Amino acid sequence: DGGITQSPKYLFRKEGQNVTLSCEQNLNHDAMYWYRQDPGQGLRLIYYSQIVNDFQKGDIAEGYSVSREKKESFPLTVTSAQKNPTAFYLCASSAYRAAEAFFGQGTRLTVV
Amino acid sequence: DQQVKQNSPSLSVQEGRISILNCDYTNSMFDYFLWYKKYPAEGPTFLISISSIKDKNEDGRFTVFLNKSAKHLSLHIVPSQPGDSAVYFCAASAKGGSEKLVFGKGMKLTVNP
Repeated sequence: DGGITQSPKYLFRKEGQNVTLSCEQNLNHDAMYWYRQDPGQGLRLIYYSQIVNDFQKGDIAEGYSVSREKKESFPLTVTSAQKNPTAFYLCASSAYRAAEAFFGQGTRLTVV
Repeated sequence: DQQVKQNSPSLSVQEGRISILNCDYTNSMFDYFLWYKKYPAEGPTFLISISSIKDKNEDGRFTVFLNKSAKHLSLHIVPSQPGDSAVYFCAASAKGGSEKLVFGKGMKLTVNP
């Protein structure tokens, strides 16, 4: 089955530690995205990548980093510089120049 | 500055009635609009979309209306079912949908049996 897989579903980390969230897709999509959802805030774009080895900052990129070495994978690292990392993180992908994005099931990150 | 606004945070309707979810946008470059449905602790799923060359798009129980002059779109669900209870996000894109999506804050729909 084609789809987007985010892992893990739940993640706990101590404050000050970097953590990497995984996102893999087998839809052969060119574009991939990372969003963050907070209560009452909707979906805010962190980073996006439209082709391999290229990515752009979204609206709230500070404290995050990404890489796009393979078409299928777009991992997100939440660094210690992110002031409020506890949130629900969503990865998505879309075909080239297509608006309809397909989302993964999300990762709930809790920093204690 | 919010470019896509869903001003009502929640809506409650009776099963079988119509649900109307509203969305306003401010960026006149937006020309492609989408609605997503989201259950708790899951990723959003695509529901229906509309291009600015149309003013209506229908898919089963779901219809989206676009009023470009008012920069307003709405999602109609008829008849509403308890399984429709979820958070609905409006999203917009420019350049025929090839630009990144901008999402509203979402609206929680509750359909009561």
